[in-house]
Amino acid sequence: DIQMTQSPSTLSASVGDRVTITCRASLSISPWVAWYQQKPGKAPKLLIYDASSLEGGVPSRFSGSGSGTEFILTISNLQPDDFATYYCQQYNSYSTLTFGGGTKVEIK
Amino acid sequence: EVQLLDSGGGLVQPGGSLRLSCAASGFTFSSYAMSWVRQAPGKGLEWVSSLSSSGGTPYYADSVKGRFTISRDNSKNTLYVQMNSLRDEDTAVYFCAKGGSNSVRTYYFDSWGQGTLVTVSS
Repeated sequence: DIQMTQSPSTLSASVGDRVTITCRASLSISPWVAWYQQKPGKAPKLLIYDASSLEGGVPSRFSGSGSGTEFILTISNLQPDDFATYYCQQYNSYSTLTFGGGTKVEIK
Repeated sequence: EVQLLDSGGGLVQPGGSLRLSCAASGFTFSSYAMSWVRQAPGKGLEWVSSLSSSGGTPYYADSVKGRFTISRDNSKNTLYVQMNSLRDEDTAVYFCAKGGSNSVRTYYFDSWGQGTLVTVSS
């Protein structure tokens, strides 16, 4: 099974900051990575698919990059609504889908 | 507007069974892969099972293989998961999720249900 190691697990940042979250896969899966945002008590929301494609309606301050085994979610100009938990997910293997462990973005 | 309405959760004893449903609307249900994803209290997301648009080969996480059965009724726009031999560690919020629309690989999730809580406890 493909493992997704996400870092950091917690991140403290201020409004206006640029933050990056990394997911490392146990083997090459490019570009089959998605990123989600989840707020407490709510369902996850898709932000990025195919490693770098922005889902419709998602603000352009969110961007995805990476290839091979390393993938990055960048939030530029962090806004109050962005404080949440973020997850990566690989879909290289249809038979076993995997999420990263999550990154909680907190207010500094 | 895509809507997914999860239902069927509740309290069940270890070893018991439960069937969850996900009623879909706002899109052509029969054209999309569908999945179940769960989240234990205070924990991260865990993929549970997926089924192609036609209801062909199902896929399961090792943690539920042999105990859970995913199915769909395209005439009723509904996704199901039958959960048998439930264990304490199956306690979680269960979300149904719609396969992506804009990629050649559709096993990411562009819409989610609100989730239904399953509690396994004696």
